[in-house]
Amino acid sequence: DARVTQTPRDKVTEMGQEVTMRCQPILGHNTVFWYRQTMMQGLELLAYFRNRAPLDDSGMPKDRFSAEMPDATLATLKIQPSEPRDSAVYFCASGIGRTSTDTQYFGPGTRLTVL
Amino acid sequence: GENVEQHPSTLSVQEGDSAVIKCTYSDSASNYFPWYKQELGKGPQLIIDIRSNVGEKKDQRIAVTLNKTAKHFSLHITETQPEDSAVYFCAADPTGTASKLTFGTGTRLQVTL
Repeated sequence: DARVTQTPRDKVTEMGQEVTMRCQPILGHNTVFWYRQTMMQGLELLAYFRNRAPLDDSGMPKDRFSAEMPDATLATLKIQPSEPRDSAVYFCASGIGRTSTDTQYFGPGTRLTVL
Repeated sequence: GENVEQHPSTLSVQEGDSAVIKCTYSDSASNYFPWYKQELGKGPQLIIDIRSNVGEKKDQRIAVTLNKTAKHFSLHITETQPEDSAVYFCAADPTGTASKLTFGTGTRLQVTL
């Protein structure tokens, strides 16, 4: 049963610290998405990659957030420096990237708390 | 850009009854409409999806209907069970490749015994 994995599952940090979240997409999926979920804003798309290239990061605060795919099996989302308003659940999702058959498969999320 | 509205925000039904959740979208180019179920502490999981070339799709107790003219689509759950209790999200995508999903705000469904 192929699944998207995310680490860590929970992260508590202090304001100003760097946070790195990792995602392993489903093997063979070439599209990776990062979402943030909060009670107030719901699910927001932060960025997405296809074949490891960033296609859209317009939803991401550029001054403190960065997303990369060092290789096809790893996607990272970094926040530096972190702020209390970054507290949320961050989800990674992956997909095949083909028309008419694709969908997004979500990981379990990283719950980030910034004190 | 796309805007998706979802109603109701909360829904309580008795076990065995049907539940209906409705969504409207704004971008007439949208042609892919998935529904996700999110249980507490977990990520959203796809339960059913529909593309614009069909008006209805069923999978056991779950069905989705799409009205492209009116730009709305609905999720129907029949014979609800306690394990159906969760938050349900609709989404719309104009690309056909599930690359630009815009999500609704979610419906918290509670199935009571």
